Amino acid sequence: QKEVEQNSGPLSVPEGAIASLNCTYSDRGSQSFFWYRQYSGKSPELIMFIYSNGDKEDGRFTAQLNKASQYVSLLIRDSQPSDSATYLCAVNIITGQGNLIFGKGTKLSVKP
Amino acid sequence: GAVVSQHPSWVICKSGTSVKIECRSLDFQATTMFWYRQFPKQSLMLMATSNEGSKATYEQGVEKDKFLINHASLTLSTLTVTSAHPEDSSFYICSARGSGRISSTDTQYFGPGTRLTVL
Repeated sequence: QKEVEQNSGPLSVPEGAIASLNCTYSDRGSQSFFWYRQYSGKSPELIMFIYSNGDKEDGRFTAQLNKASQYVSLLIRDSQPSDSATYLCAVNIITGQGNLIFGKGTKLSVKP
Repeated sequence: GAVVSQHPSWVICKSGTSVKIECRSLDFQATTMFWYRQFPKQSLMLMATSNEGSKATYEQGVEKDKFLINHASLTLSTLTVTSAHPEDSSFYICSARGSGRISSTDTQYFGPGTRLTVL
């Protein structure tokens, strides 16, 4: 069974620090990796996606992918209280309809 | 970016009635739409996947006769909760995946969700 694993947290970091969110996946053939942010009571919103090994930066966010280790991470620099949310890792599966498999999410709390 | 809307944003109904929720992709063609359910403090649960013009594929344990899905066009999918009961009260979220210059072919964009309360 295809799985995406995340530490449920909560991960607590002080304002201004770097928050590091991690995700591992089981399907070695996965090609697309996504990070979503979900505020309490709201639906998920896409933060960024990554397809290639290495780092991808977008503002304060950096996604890191290591396909050999089946590991994807999200770094949030200069964390702000408004970053407090649940972060969902999603990975595509190459069989069937190519759907995304979501992790259960990591709850991040940024303390002022 | 790609925008997905849902209507209504919240609904309260009596037990035994049916409720229809609409999901629209506003600026791209959604070849595939997904319906999720999320109970408080729990993770997303995929209910079904629908492709335009064909029958939906339901996840194990989801009653297809209770949760009717219609994906009649490339921009609209509907979820009808038939004979709703209090245990169906939940946050229903759709997402869309499609083609076009805005949406990449495997990225899912979520609607804002519909909060259903069945009395």
